[in-house]
Amino acid sequence: AQSVSQHNHHVILSEAASLELGCNYSYGGTVNLFWYVQYPGQHLQLLLKYFSGDPLVKGIKGFEAEFIKSKFSFNLRKPSVQWSDTAEYFCAVIHGSSNTGKLIFGQGTTLQVKP
Amino acid sequence: EAQVTQNPRYLITVTGKKLTVTCSQNMNHEYMSWYRQDPGLGLRQIYYSMNVEVTDKGDVPEGYKVSRKEKRNFPLILESPSPNQTSLYFCASSLDAGGNSPLHFGNGTRLTVT
Repeated sequence: AQSVSQHNHHVILSEAASLELGCNYSYGGTVNLFWYVQYPGQHLQLLLKYFSGDPLVKGIKGFEAEFIKSKFSFNLRKPSVQWSDTAEYFCAVIHGSSNTGKLIFGQGTTLQVKP
Repeated sequence: EAQVTQNPRYLITVTGKKLTVTCSQNMNHEYMSWYRQDPGLGLRQIYYSMNVEVTDKGDVPEGYKVSRKEKRNFPLILESPSPNQTSLYFCASSLDAGGNSPLHFGNGTRLTVT
């Protein structure tokens, strides 16, 4: 069965520190990959997505992610975090030619940025 | 403004009392889905709908029903809620089910069943 694993459940950083959140998925076929962010008390919002092409994708708010097919990974990065980045981050995967639209989500990573 | 609207935002109920959580989208999306979010488990799909009158079970459908009589609406029905359905629920929609368009989420409904 398809699954998504996020290695870090809770990350605490100081402002200006660099961020990398790990995401690995288990599926051998073509996949589309997403990172969503959920700010406290809010709904999930799309940070960035990868469908094809350049494996380094840039999203909103200075986030980027790199798709490494050989490692089944899609890690999220940001060079310098801000207090406002405090949120929960979800990696999600869908089969590239899905006919069910089912996104498989990771367990989520809670990021706490200290001012 | 393009959005997915869920109501209510918060709901406290008792075991066995039927309830409905409404979901409406104004983007003419074909695909709609319900997820529940629980700590440490991420989001799990309850039901989804590919189009009007087409619904199917997700990973955790037990205890839930849905309907899709109109394209814009996709209500979630709990006929006899139980405490293990206490959770945060999200409705989502996308242009299609093909995986090439991202999901748009509603603001969530926090349900407590006592």
